[in-house]
Amino acid sequence: DQQVKQNSPSLSVQEGRISILNCDYTNSMFDYFLWYKKYPAEGPTFLISISSIKDKNEDGRFTVFLNKSAKHLSLHIVPSQPGDSAVYFCAASVSAGGFKTIFGAGTRLFVKA
Amino acid sequence: DTAVSQTPKYLVTQMGNDKSIKCEQNLGHDTMYWYKQDSKKFLKIMFSYNNKELIINETVPNRFSPKSPDKAHLNLHINSLELGDSAVYFCASSQARDRGSSGANVLTFGAGSRLTVL
Repeated sequence: DQQVKQNSPSLSVQEGRISILNCDYTNSMFDYFLWYKKYPAEGPTFLISISSIKDKNEDGRFTVFLNKSAKHLSLHIVPSQPGDSAVYFCAASVSAGGFKTIFGAGTRLFVKA
Repeated sequence: DTAVSQTPKYLVTQMGNDKSIKCEQNLGHDTMYWYKQDSKKFLKIMFSYNNKELIINETVPNRFSPKSPDKAHLNLHINSLELGDSAVYFCASSQARDRGSSGANVLTFGAGSRLTVL
């Protein structure tokens, strides 16, 4: 039972354009959502997060949008750069559930120069 | 100076053997985790310790035994290794009181330990 789903295994975008990575979840108890970025042979690194009481959080070129009614969130990267090429994991957690964070399967982003 | 370090980075062993993976964090975090990334690339939580106390124990075979001698270390011991144990194992840590800007519990991961069972 995969509670966090990233249905696109990969995405290819031209440098300078917008990258949109999508994530769906099934557990309505999730109250925090996070995105992590992973380069080969490294561990995931935290990118940006959003609380369920918000619908948008922005940090530089990265913006996360949350649509609670649709149980959907997305990560926008504008403008995309070749260094953004990595695997992006969507993750979610329930603050009352202790420290368990559930991850999606990841989306591999290719940014072409 | 690596924040979360795991050893070994690569481990190749035969079925039936017993092996350990070590993890240390120098961030002063109070919670540590083990995650498993299998061939389908899902990152699945296995265990979590908060101040040396086991707080998360997912449905993991009891051949896997975590040990936390202090809050800076969380080791993973695996008995009677099976082919299906081949995966990348990631250690992570977090500080419950040090939430991200949104209040989320942010994990800091190690670089992973790739285990191959032959």
